[in-house]
Amino acid sequence: DTGVSQDPRHKITKRGQNVTFRCDPISEHNRLYWYRQTLGQGPEFLTYFQNEAQLEKSRLLSDRFSAERPKGSFSTLEIQRTEQGDSAMYLCASSYASYNSPLHFGNGTRLTVT
Amino acid sequence: AQTVTQSQPEMSVQEAETVTLSCTYDTSESNYYLFWYKQPPSRQMILVIRQEAYKQQNATENRFSVNFQKAAKSFSLKISDSQLGDTAMYFCILSTTGNQFYFGTGTSLTVIP
Repeated sequence: DTGVSQDPRHKITKRGQNVTFRCDPISEHNRLYWYRQTLGQGPEFLTYFQNEAQLEKSRLLSDRFSAERPKGSFSTLEIQRTEQGDSAMYLCASSYASYNSPLHFGNGTRLTVT
Repeated sequence: AQTVTQSQPEMSVQEAETVTLSCTYDTSESNYYLFWYKQPPSRQMILVIRQEAYKQQNATENRFSVNFQKAAKSFSLKISDSQLGDTAMYFCILSTTGNQFYFGTGTSLTVIP
């Protein structure tokens, strides 16, 4: 168990640029979740995958956000035309496909949009 | 709809003392799990303790224990012999068979030396 890894740890970008984050889940886990967290707040659900299928996407998520999980392994989260309001910590978590399986979180990617 | 409420945004405790963090939830599901997670400043969120709804016995993990009151839909976390390393944001999380996790807003705990 090498844990969930996220890359990069920090990203600074200018408004209007596109950014892409990567998450490598625990290899045995078939579920992968993306969350967004702002300072002092709890994580906000963005989307989740079971294997390669994206099963749910938050209605709050704008069309500028897209996520993929090709081959059911790592996942990428892309934000197009970034806005200052996108500045946040983006967390990835993985678990087994069971409601009693806890989430294992990565260290997150902190995005700053200037 | 599932909801999780943590009514204490901030708490503090003296080192070596005991503190209890509150959490209430609402769900119509009969099968569910409850978790407490800890997020230290600028660090990874980690699991502290978990409780299955069907188990009446309260879960315990070393200095951490829960008081699970199913009828009242209450799931509080007790931290005994508080240590400086317990300073963190604590999240109460509900997991149901619908494949989703529902987060409380968190309680920021500070352990005072």
